[in-house]
Amino acid sequence: GEQVEQRPPHLSVREGDSAFITCTYTDPNSYYFFWYKQEPGASLQLLMKVFSSTEINEGQGFTVLLNKKDKRLSLNLTAAHPGDSAAYFCAVGLIDRGSALGRLHFGAGTQLIVIP
Amino acid sequence: DAAVTQKPRYLIKMKGQEAEMKCIPEKGHTAVFWYQQKQSKELKFLIYFQNQQPLDQIDMVKERFSAVCPSSSLCSLGIRTCEAEDSALYLCSSSQWEGRDSDYTFGSGTRLLVI
Repeated sequence: GEQVEQRPPHLSVREGDSAFITCTYTDPNSYYFFWYKQEPGASLQLLMKVFSSTEINEGQGFTVLLNKKDKRLSLNLTAAHPGDSAAYFCAVGLIDRGSALGRLHFGAGTQLIVIP
Repeated sequence: DAAVTQKPRYLIKMKGQEAEMKCIPEKGHTAVFWYQQKQSKELKFLIYFQNQQPLDQIDMVKERFSAVCPSSSLCSLGIRTCEAEDSALYLCSSSQWEGRDSDYTFGSGTRLLVI
């Protein structure tokens, strides 16, 4: 089955620096890719969803890259600020039986600390 | 409503007691997923329903949990006999196949503490 590996597990950066998190997956049929942010005690907040046909996606203060050849998904927080301190999770989804979304396969998470 | 509702938010049980938590999926969503998360670490898949039928679940759920979706607007996850290791955040998610517009919506979770 699908295996998702996320690195690094912990990351500390100074305010204004970039924070780079990467995930690799194994199933070439992976179709949906997500990045979630989770603040302490809270649920998951969707940052971005990416489809297999799109490689570079820009959001508010971050960029998501999808490299299908290497089966790699990455999140780059540009100019991080203390409010970005949280846990970040990548997730990969496959189409189930041709007409539904199957379960998400999550990375183990990255605990990001942005130092003021 | 564009939201998944989970109740209760917090649940405290003694070892050996039964626990139950509920999830109201986003309106129109036919797939419901349950995940377990301990100490803000990785999310562990538990069970997946499609049109109220369980399609996939891990062995732990078969052995110790009870999960049903009695209607399209309500699912529940129960633990028959709580153990300390069950202390975790339980997240419910729902989705609906809409091609590129497909998405997963997560609830706020039920935080279970077993003492």
